[in-house]
Amino acid sequence: DTEVTQTPKHLVMGMTNKKSLKCEQHMGHRAMYWYKQKAKKPPELMFVYSYEKLSINESVPSRFSPECPNSSLLNLHLHALQPEDSALYLCASSQEARQETQYFGPGTRLLVL
Amino acid sequence: GENVEQHPSTLSVQEGDSAVIKCTYSDSASNYFPWYKQELGKGPQLIIDIRSNVGEKKDQRIAVTLNKTAKHFSLHITETQPEDSAVYFCAASKASGYSTLTFGKGTMLLVSP
Repeated sequence: DTEVTQTPKHLVMGMTNKKSLKCEQHMGHRAMYWYKQKAKKPPELMFVYSYEKLSINESVPSRFSPECPNSSLLNLHLHALQPEDSALYLCASSQEARQETQYFGPGTRLLVL
Repeated sequence: GENVEQHPSTLSVQEGDSAVIKCTYSDSASNYFPWYKQELGKGPQLIIDIRSNVGEKKDQRIAVTLNKTAKHFSLHITETQPEDSAVYFCAASKASGYSTLTFGKGTMLLVSP
């Protein structure tokens, strides 16, 4: 089973709202990732967690705040977003951060009004 | 850093024809090359991958070839079917450090019945 689940599927929020995206995997993977994907573009890496510790932050604005409560869960907290942050947010996982095979979830389609 | 070029950006074929998508990479230290298929409204799905110690890998109608000297790799789909229609992304990464994927810009494959 190579399933990564994400909730919600769709999210509409105002620029003053606070919301969270959730990602879950039960494959025993110890690395988890957040990507942002704009229409007709490849995914762009935002954050990497390895063994529940933040390993890579690709200079993401502080209005995006990741959290890894345990090895199966990854959250992305959103606050004071801008309309240009509207995108598909993808979660992925891999066995280790040094193990290259990444499995993606279905994504959360975010619209910021 | 790594740079991955992908061609063509769009590819239209008739059902039953073969389709070939090509990628080149710049970092000779890259040693892992996955291909992802992304259908509309879904997350990227890993369809095949190859490591630098292998020149070719096949999985039913899908094959990937790697030329390390020329730093290019290709995806071959034979006997295409309408359900193969999707955006295909190639990517490259290396084993050292945290494994981040560098993606190509994607190829939209349209298979007409």
